[in-house]
Amino acid sequence: EVQLVESGGGLVQPGGSLRLSCVASGFTFSSHWMSWVRQAPGKGLEWVANIKPDGSEKYFMDSVKGRLTISRDNAKNSVYLQINSLRVEDTAVYYCARDMGVFDIWGQGTMVTVSS
Amino acid sequence: VVMTQTPVSLSVTPGQPASISCKSSQSLLYSVGKTALSWYLQRPGQSPQLLIYEVSNRFSGVPDRFSGSGSGTDFTLKISRVEPEDVGVYYCMQTVDLPRTFGQGTKVEIK
Repeated sequence: EVQLVESGGGLVQPGGSLRLSCVASGFTFSSHWMSWVRQAPGKGLEWVANIKPDGSEKYFMDSVKGRLTISRDNAKNSVYLQINSLRVEDTAVYYCARDMGVFDIWGQGTMVTVSS
Repeated sequence: VVMTQTPVSLSVTPGQPASISCKSSQSLLYSVGKTALSWYLQRPGQSPQLLIYEVSNRFSGVPDRFSGSGSGTDFTLKISRVEPEDVGVYYCMQTVDLPRTFGQGTKVEIK
C-alpha cells in the first residue's frame, strides 16, 4: 500500500524545537521530491518546504527560512523537518506529501502546538 | 504566485452542479500543453486528496462528475452533480514556481 506516515508532533514551548518525521512505503521513495505542507487550526494549506530526491536541493517558504531544516534518509524511506525557535504561529498540522509537481500522496498529518 | 479562489463558500442541493473559480497572478503555463494547476479536496477531519492535475486530468479513482478547465491564469473546477460525499474544502494549487501556493479554499456544503 502506498502511504506516508508522519510523527513527532506535540506540545512545545515558544523557542523550542521539534523534529518531524515522515516514513514512506509502497513506492520508490528515493526517486521523488518530497514536500511538507502545514495547516493552522481552521485555516488553509500552506506549503513549507521541499527536497530533491538525492537531498542536494532544498527550498523553503520565505517566512520560515533560517528556522527550518529539511532532510531525508533514502535508506530509511524517510523525510524530516526540523523546526527551531518555534513560534505560536507555527501551531499547525504538518503534512508530508509526495511532490511530483502535484501532491498525489499525503500523510495523515502530525499536530504541532506551540504554547506556554 | 498568488492564487485567488471564489466563492469562499458554496451551499449546494444534492444533484445540482457546482463551480469553483481559481485565478493566478501569473500564467501557470510551463511547457507546451502543460499547465501547473491542480485541485484538492479536504473532507472534514481528513488529509487533502488530489482530484485534478494539469488543469483537467482526473486523478486515479476520481469520479467523472469532477472536471477541470481553464488556461493561463483562469481556471475552474466543476462538479456536475454534487453528492453528499463531496462536502469539504476545495483548494487549487500552482507549482509553476516556488513557493508552491494554494488558493484560500472554497467550502462546499450540502443544503
